[in-house]
Amino acid sequence: EVQLVETGGGLIQPGGSLRLSCAASGLTVSSNYMSWVRQAPGKGLEWVSVIYSGGNTYYADSVKGRFTISRDNSKNTLYLQMNSLRAEDTAVYYCARLLSSGSPYYCYYMDVWGKGTTVTVSS
Amino acid sequence: DIQMTQSPSSLSASVGDRVTITCRASQTISSYLNWYQQKPGKAPKLLIYAASSLQSGVPSRFSGSGSGTDFTLTISSLQPEDFATYYCQQSYSTAMYTFGQGTKLEIK
Repeated sequence: EVQLVETGGGLIQPGGSLRLSCAASGLTVSSNYMSWVRQAPGKGLEWVSVIYSGGNTYYADSVKGRFTISRDNSKNTLYLQMNSLRAEDTAVYYCARLLSSGSPYYCYYMDVWGKGTTVTVSS
Repeated sequence: DIQMTQSPSSLSASVGDRVTITCRASQTISSYLNWYQQKPGKAPKLLIYAASSLQSGVPSRFSGSGSGTDFTLTISSLQPEDFATYYCQQSYSTAMYTFGQGTKLEIK
């Protein structure tokens, strides 16, 4: 069974740093496209970041320069390093796998999600 | 950046009703459009990918259509477990996977 488990959330003061982890089972993180998505309290889903199997990474404008996505192949784990945290970063953070629909469109979609970890940025 | 706009933002309907939710992209995205369902306190669940392909295990009362900039998610006969929030997401830009703002489907 494919499973993603996020950890590392908690209460952090503005300006602080936190690293989220997403441990995978049933899939190989390094061979897949992996993403982070967040949801602020009472709000909709916001895409945060993606890392491709080749190593390319992309970020939402709201976190660019502050967040870093990475992976540890030996631990089969995805990470999100979050620096210079702000109140508006308060959210549940989900990791998800991106899968391709294949020919002809190669449309990427998030087929497996973790249950999320909660980050609260407050003094 | 590609913006995704869903309508309506909320919708009240009854069990057995046919419901349609619309998603519009700010530029053409071909068929690179996915739909997700989210229930309170739970992770999103994939329903439809590539605009009209039903994810394995999803009931056939769910269907998706559209291409270019305009897309729809249709539930042919609402069931009690379908009351949730629905999100569209574009994957045309693989550097930024934008979601719509969501449509909350409530019981009338």
